[in-house]
Amino acid sequence: EIVLTQPPGTLSLSPGERATLSCRASQSVGRNYLAWYQQKPGQAPRLLIYDASTRATGFPDRFSGSGSGTDFTLTISRLEPEDFAVYYCQQYATSPLTFGGGTKVEIK
Amino acid sequence: QVQLVESGGGVVQPGRSLRLSCAASGFTFSNYAMHWVRQAPGKGLEWVSLISYDETNKYYADSVKGRFTISRDNSKNALYLQMNSLRAEDTAVYYCARGQQWLIKDWGQGALVTVSS
Repeated sequence: EIVLTQPPGTLSLSPGERATLSCRASQSVGRNYLAWYQQKPGQAPRLLIYDASTRATGFPDRFSGSGSGTDFTLTISRLEPEDFAVYYCQQYATSPLTFGGGTKVEIK
Repeated sequence: QVQLVESGGGVVQPGRSLRLSCAASGFTFSNYAMHWVRQAPGKGLEWVSLISYDETNKYYADSVKGRFTISRDNSKNALYLQMNSLRAEDTAVYYCARGQQWLIKDWGQGALVTVSS
């Protein structure tokens, strides 16, 4: 099983700042099948990034994904009020599919 | 637009069974793999199970293997999760989700399952 780690658990930032979220895998994620999801309180998650760097429909270009192998990054270039949420990474290369524990981006 | 509506959640005693359903619309259901993902109260996401578009392949998390069964009825645009021998740790919101192969693309709003005596 591929274990995904997302340090830190919480990021405290101000609107307008840059957010850099990390996702580390216990072994290489094949074909970079790594996704990021955004979840707001009381809502279902939404697919944000897939294949490590492809932005899903409906998200602005201030969101970007990068990385390969075992180290992946989600960057929000300039935080807007609606971006404060929990972000999960997930690998879909190998069964069982696994999620990271999530990083909460909160308003400082 | 893609719509996924879960039903069948509720309160159930430990050791009992429950079946979740997911009604799909807005896309050609029989062309897509489908997933169940759960989230315990205040916790992170946990993938539960995946079924291929034609039901030939099914995959399960170790935590539910042998107790849960995923199935689908393409004639009814419906996905199911039969949950047996339920435990307190199965308490969660269960999400139905559309897959693109193994990628989880679209999510329903979830159904709460509470396992408690």
